[in-house]
Amino acid sequence: DAKTTQPNSMESNEEEPVHLPCNHSTISGTDYIHWYRQLPSQGPEYVIHGLTSNVNNRMASLAIAEDRKSSTLILHRATLRDAAVYYCIRTGAGSYQLTFGKGTKLSVIP
Amino acid sequence: EAGVTQSPTHLIKTRGQQATLRCSPISGHTSVYWYQQALGLGLQFLLWYDEGEERNRGNFPPRFSGRQFPNYSSELNVNALELEDSALYLCASSLPGGNAYNEQFFGPGTRLTVL
Repeated sequence: DAKTTQPNSMESNEEEPVHLPCNHSTISGTDYIHWYRQLPSQGPEYVIHGLTSNVNNRMASLAIAEDRKSSTLILHRATLRDAAVYYCIRTGAGSYQLTFGKGTKLSVIP
Repeated sequence: EAGVTQSPTHLIKTRGQQATLRCSPISGHTSVYWYQQALGLGLQFLLWYDEGEERNRGNFPPRFSGRQFPNYSSELNVNALELEDSALYLCASSLPGGNAYNEQFFGPGTRLTVL
């Protein structure tokens, strides 16, 4: 049970922003939200994580809804290299492994 | 800084044999996680080792086992191989202690094929 819901696939044009949604309506107050992505033929790589407030790093931004029931991963300018499966994962204070769902397959159109 | 390394890259075995997969974590990381990515099933958590001890295991039969060595490298053993064990086996490592927000760094995986 991944406990998150994501669209199966999304498309974006190159150099345009991409907003990848994730629903986690049953999230508890201490659960973190993580995003990982898996490029073709590679292991997953960490993108970003957050708890309550919005987060930014060199790869992306994470916007967390005020009620924390949903979040959005924002890629500010999609490149061809961003084509991957993006996983939204929630982890509780007592869990250490990542529970992956099916993720969203992002295609980037040149 | 060297990333997580796994060996071998590919492994071909026949049903009933045993497979041994190896993982070297990033220097300074003491937690090692194993995941299975089988076609159509997605990434599933297998095992977590920290400081040489098995801390947690996923919903896999006992023929999936492993260990962590004093240098924090890890080995995954799969006994009595079955066809459905064919998958990409991914190892990840993280900083000591393991907690909900420790970033996990993944290796490239070992592709196991059972014939």
